[in-house]
Amino acid sequence: EIVLTQSPGTLSLSPGERATLSCRASQSVSSRYLGWYQQKSGQAPRLLIYDASRRATGIPDRFTGSGSGSDFTLTISRLEPEDFAVYYCQQYGTSPLTFGGGTKVEIK
Amino acid sequence: EVQLLESGGGLVQPGGSLRLSCAASGFTLRTSAMTWVRQAPGKGLEWVSGISDDDFTTHYADSVKGRFTISRDNWKNTLYLQMTSLRVEDTAVYFCAKEGPNNYFDSWGHGTLVTVSS
Repeated sequence: EIVLTQSPGTLSLSPGERATLSCRASQSVSSRYLGWYQQKSGQAPRLLIYDASRRATGIPDRFTGSGSGSDFTLTISRLEPEDFAVYYCQQYGTSPLTFGGGTKVEIK
Repeated sequence: EVQLLESGGGLVQPGGSLRLSCAASGFTLRTSAMTWVRQAPGKGLEWVSGISDDDFTTHYADSVKGRFTISRDNWKNTLYLQMTSLRVEDTAVYFCAKEGPNNYFDSWGHGTLVTVSS
């Protein structure tokens, strides 16, 4: 099973600042099959990025995914108030599909 | 617009059974791979089970293998998760999700809460 480790656990930032979230896999992720999801309290997750760097439909361009192999990054260029949430990475190239433990982006 | 609506959650005793349903609309269920993901209270996301678009392949997390069964009724446009031999650690919100072309999860339902407790 591929273990995904997200860091940091919590990121305290102010609106307008840049957020950099890391996701490291225990082994190489097949074909860059890595996605990022946003989850707000009490809501379902929402797909932001798939295939490591492709934005899902309707996702603003301040969200950027990058990386390959076993190291991936989600960057939010300028935090908007609605971006404060928990973010999960997920690999879907190897069964079982696995998620990282999440990074909480909170208002400083 | 894709919509997924889960139902069937509730309180059940350890060892009991429950069947979750996920009613799909806005897309053709029979041509889509589907999955179940759960989230224990205050915890992260855990993939539970998936079914291929042709129904030939099903996958399960080791934690539920042999106890849970994923299936669907394409005529009713509904996905199911039959859960048996439930354990306290199965307590979670269960989400159904539609899979995209490479098995990422591009649409999610709002979830249904399953509580396993005596």
